[in-house]
Amino acid sequence: QKEVEQDPGPLSVPEGAIVSLNCTYSNSAFQYFMWYRQYSRKGPELLMYTYSSGNKEDGRFTAQVDKSSKYISLFIRDSQPSDSATYLCAMTLNQAGTALIFGKGTTLSVSS
Amino acid sequence: DAEITQSPRHKITETGRQVTLACHQTWNHNNMFWYRQDLGHGLRLIHYSYGVHDTNKGEVSDGYSVSRSNTEDLPLTLESAASSQTSVYFCASSEPGQGLDGYTFGSGTRLTVV
Repeated sequence: QKEVEQDPGPLSVPEGAIVSLNCTYSNSAFQYFMWYRQYSRKGPELLMYTYSSGNKEDGRFTAQVDKSSKYISLFIRDSQPSDSATYLCAMTLNQAGTALIFGKGTTLSVSS
Repeated sequence: DAEITQSPRHKITETGRQVTLACHQTWNHNNMFWYRQDLGHGLRLIHYSYGVHDTNKGEVSDGYSVSRSNTEDLPLTLESAASSQTSVYFCASSEPGQGLDGYTFGSGTRLTVV
């Protein structure tokens, strides 16, 4: 079993839909949970990160962490065609900027 | 503006050749990383460095080497390129104490081994 599991999709939704992206993990020592967005032929860019359990909201994006279930989610409200990208979850033990463990990434397509 | 740059953007090489991918950052970050991205695997850590003259193996280090002679550069060398090393390679950098917001990726090098 990989440390981080993520359904690769692809996921196709109409514009305006609510999108839910998810990852599960096995290492209970992970403390920081990140979501990256990656456009085609580009490097990953950080969307947001959360520490431990709880929710974090940034505009149309909400990240949730449930450490008891080892489950994290990213919700995108009012999805836009510009949200079409691959979304990668990543985790790490601390915020010292050390190595990240990534999920496989979920490819999202939002149609207008 | 500070940045992290990778070169070349695209490379085609033959099996058995030695290849070096460059990574240069002007953030003055102590931590630097090399990942590879393959369909079905996501990003996997190859090597990383926490400072000058420090190097460490990651999850998929076989066939790769790195050296860190200064803060700005972490070149990745494929000693004898194999078709299994066809991939997209990403370099990243970060600085302890600056939090995860500063964890920055380059634009990638697409390597094809024929």
